[in-house]
Amino acid sequence: AQKVTQAQTEISVVEKEDVTLDCVYETRDTTYYLFWYKQPPSGELVFLIRRNSFDEQNEISGRYSWNFQKSTSSFNFTITASQVVDSAVYFCALLPSGAGSYQLTFGKGTKLSVIP
Amino acid sequence: NAGVTQTPKFQVLKTGQSMTLQCAQDMNHEYMSWYRQDPGMGLRLIHYSVGAGITDQGEVPNGYNVSRSTTEDFPLRLLSAAPSQTSVYFCASSYSPGSQETQYFGPGTRLLVL
Repeated sequence: AQKVTQAQTEISVVEKEDVTLDCVYETRDTTYYLFWYKQPPSGELVFLIRRNSFDEQNEISGRYSWNFQKSTSSFNFTITASQVVDSAVYFCALLPSGAGSYQLTFGKGTKLSVIP
Repeated sequence: NAGVTQTPKFQVLKTGQSMTLQCAQDMNHEYMSWYRQDPGMGLRLIHYSVGAGITDQGEVPNGYNVSRSTTEDFPLRLLSAAPSQTSVYFCASSYSPGSQETQYFGPGTRLLVL
C-alpha cells in the first residue's frame, strides 16, 4: 500500500518569503512517480511536476524548486520569493510505475497563504 | 483541445435521487478516472478505465457506477444519492498512467446531497 504524508496542514508566509512544503511517502514499489499539483481558490487542479524514482536530480522552474531524496523518501517543494498568487492548496501524490498501477495516492494537502 | 471537461459544475440532490456526472476528453487518452475530494482527505480514486469497455474499482467505489462506451466519455452515475456523497468530484485522463504522460484533471463538479 502507498501512503503520502504532508504534515503541514496550513502555512502562512509574508510575500517575498521563501517557503518549503514537505512531502514524505511510503511505498514498497521499487519504481514510481511523484507529483505535485496546485489547487488555487478557483478549485481546479494544476499539474506542477512529475518525478521518476530513478531520477534524483533536483529541479528548478522559475521560483519553484523540488528536492527529491530517495534515502529519506521525501519530495519537498520550495517556492522562492513567494507571491500572493501562490496562495493555494498543494498536493503531493505518488503513482507506482509497474504494470497495472493506476491509482494516484494523494497526500491531504498543504494550504499555503501568502500575505501581502 | 478543450482538455478534460466536466458537467455540471454544481448540483444539489435530495437523498435517494440519481444523477450522472459527465466527463469528456478530446485528447484521445486511454486512461480516465474519477476522484472525490473531501475536506482534509486529499483526493481518493472512485473508479477508473484503461480503455473503452474496460473499467475497474478504485479505493472508494461503493455507491457509484461507471461505464466507458467510447474513448472520449466516462460518466459517473450515482444510483441513489446519500449525504455522504457530498463532495467535489474530479475526472482525470492521461494517455496511459505513469508513462511519459501525466494525469490531467477536469475543473470539478461540486455535489451537495441533502
